[in-house]
Formats: sequence, structure tokens, C-alpha cells
Amino acid sequence: AQSVTQPDIHITVSEGASLELRCNYSYGATPYLFWYVQSPGQGLQLLLKYFSGDTLVQGIKGFEAEFKRSQSSFNLRKPSVHWSDAAEYFCAVDATSGYALNFGKGTSLLVTP
Amino acid sequence: DGGITQSPKYLFRKEGQNVTLSCEQNLNHDAMYWYRQDPGQGLRLIYYSQIVNDFQKGDIAEGYSVSREKKESFPLTVTSAQKNPTAFYLCASGTGQGATEAFFGQGTRLTVV
Repeated sequence: AQSVTQPDIHITVSEGASLELRCNYSYGATPYLFWYVQSPGQGLQLLLKYFSGDTLVQGIKGFEAEFKRSQSSFNLRKPSVHWSDAAEYFCAVDATSGYALNFGKGTSLLVTP
Repeated sequence: DGGITQSPKYLFRKEGQNVTLSCEQNLNHDAMYWYRQDPGQGLRLIYYSQIVNDFQKGDIAEGYSVSREKKESFPLTVTSAQKNPTAFYLCASGTGQGATEAFFGQGTRLTVV
């Protein structure tokens, strides 16, 4: 079955430390891939997206993600986390162009001083 | 400013009552979507519409209904048949053509009392 998996429900990092959030997908072909961020009680904001080409994509707020076809992964990274990065992060896939995004269950990020 | 407006932000409903959530967009997008968000469940697709006067069921359409009479508007009705309606509801829109991200509203939190 087609699916998007975010293995980590919660992650805690210290401010200034590096961050990696994992995302794996299970689809027959290379889908279009997205990362969104959600602050409590708010809508979702797009961080970055991958359609084709360079497998390392840059996004807003200093985030980047790397598409690895061999691992069916699209992990989100940030070199140095700020307290304002604390939020819920969602990986999403568009496997059927123009249909609708399929979301993972999210990873909640806590940033400690 | 262009964007998606959901109203109201908070909504309380008595058991057995129908309630309608509003979603309006001025982005000139053809496609609109409704997602339901529950803690730890990610976003699940309720209904989507690719064009005016047409819509399709998503993964959890039972107990919900929609209409798409205007390009700008995609209201969601939560009927009394929905057994567990308390949730955070998110509306989104997109061009619906090729690989494109979804743009989200700020959400409506529905509570059944």
C-alpha cells in the first residue's frame, strides 16, 4: 500500500544543535515530495519541495532536505536549530499528480535551552 | 493579500446537529481540499474538488458533505452521521495541475458538546 512514514513521533534537540527529521515513502514511482511546518493551532506552511533535478533542496528558515531514491527517503535537516523552530513537521507526498497530498503522521519538535 | 480564509476559528456543536465550516480562497486556484487532523494521526483527506461543480470523496468522507458552486468557495458540512466529529479541520487549495503544493488556511477547531 502507498504510504508516508515519519518514524519519530517526538524529537528533542538543544538550541544550536543540528536537526534531522526522517521521512520514508512507499510508492511505485518517484513522487513529488514536500515538507510542511505547523505551529500550534495554526495551518501548515510549506518549507520546501522536491519535484526533480538536484536531490538536495533548499527551503525557507534555513531548512534543507535530501531525496534519496535508493532509500525512498526525503529527510529534513537544519544545521543549527533555533527555539522558534519548535513545531510539528509533516512530510507529504503527491503520488498522483493533481490528486491530493498524502501526509505522514508528523514529528513534534521540542527545542531545549 | 491572497490566501485562504477559514471561518469560524472555533466552533461548538451539540450532538445530533449539522454544522458547516466555511473555506474561501482568492488565489484563483482550481483545486480545493478538506483535511481532518487528530493528534498523532496526521492529516487525513475528507473531500477534494478539482473544478467547480465537481468533487470526490477522500479517505474519510463518511459523515461529511461538500459543495463547489463557486471557484472561490468549498464549504464542508459535518453531519450528525459523523460519529466522532471533534477535530481540527484544515482547508487547502492548489492549482491542481502537475506537481504543486497545497496552500492551507488557519483551520477550524470543532468541538461537540
